[in-house]
Amino acid sequence: QVQLQESGPRLVKPSETLSLTCIVSGGSISNYYWSWIRQPPGKGLEWIGHIYYSGSTTYNPSLKSRVTISIDTSKTQFSLKLRSVTAADTAVYYCVQLPHYWGQGTLVTVSS
Amino acid sequence: QSVLTQPPSVSAAPGQKVTISCSGSSSNIGNDYVSWYQQFPGTAPKLLLYDNNKRPSGIPDRFSGSKSGTSATLGITGLQTGDEADYYCGTWDSSLSAVVFGGGTKLTVL
Repeated sequence: QVQLQESGPRLVKPSETLSLTCIVSGGSISNYYWSWIRQPPGKGLEWIGHIYYSGSTTYNPSLKSRVTISIDTSKTQFSLKLRSVTAADTAVYYCVQLPHYWGQGTLVTVSS
Repeated sequence: QSVLTQPPSVSAAPGQKVTISCSGSSSNIGNDYVSWYQQFPGTAPKLLLYDNNKRPSGIPDRFSGSKSGTSATLGITGLQTGDEADYYCGTWDSSLSAVVFGGGTKLTVL
């Protein structure tokens, strides 16, 4: 059973960079796409982007200019960087192997 | 606004059946498989159905899915109070080159 666990700062200042890492355990990181999805408080799901194990990425067009997703297969982990954050980026961030496996999510608050 | 359209809320009595619709277009639902997720407050979404109508291990057959053209439907029979949750549909959109979701439907079991 694949398990995913997000980690990273829970509080980020406006204009700074949000950084999260997801550790994958219980299964191979190879041959799959690995996604980041977020959910603002009280709102729906928004796909941020994904990375293939080879390193190929696809981003949500609405966030593309601010997002970088990277992968380290040797550490079975992948990461998210979201630059120039504002309060609108406050959300629960999930790392996901769509459609089957979701991390528990981590609430990241953007505030000074 | 969400690319996929779901009703904001549905309700039904215990034991009854309910359906939740998910409407899209030829570039998303009409072109790829649909997944459905169940989310309880404060928890991560959980996969209910994938590839339109396949249930992961552990999901009871009270949950079913179908797709026709550019719309998909989640059906839940024998409603239980424990089914009260938010439900989301999702798929790939080939025009946007992005995963897209519906806005979510809150199910109330009266």
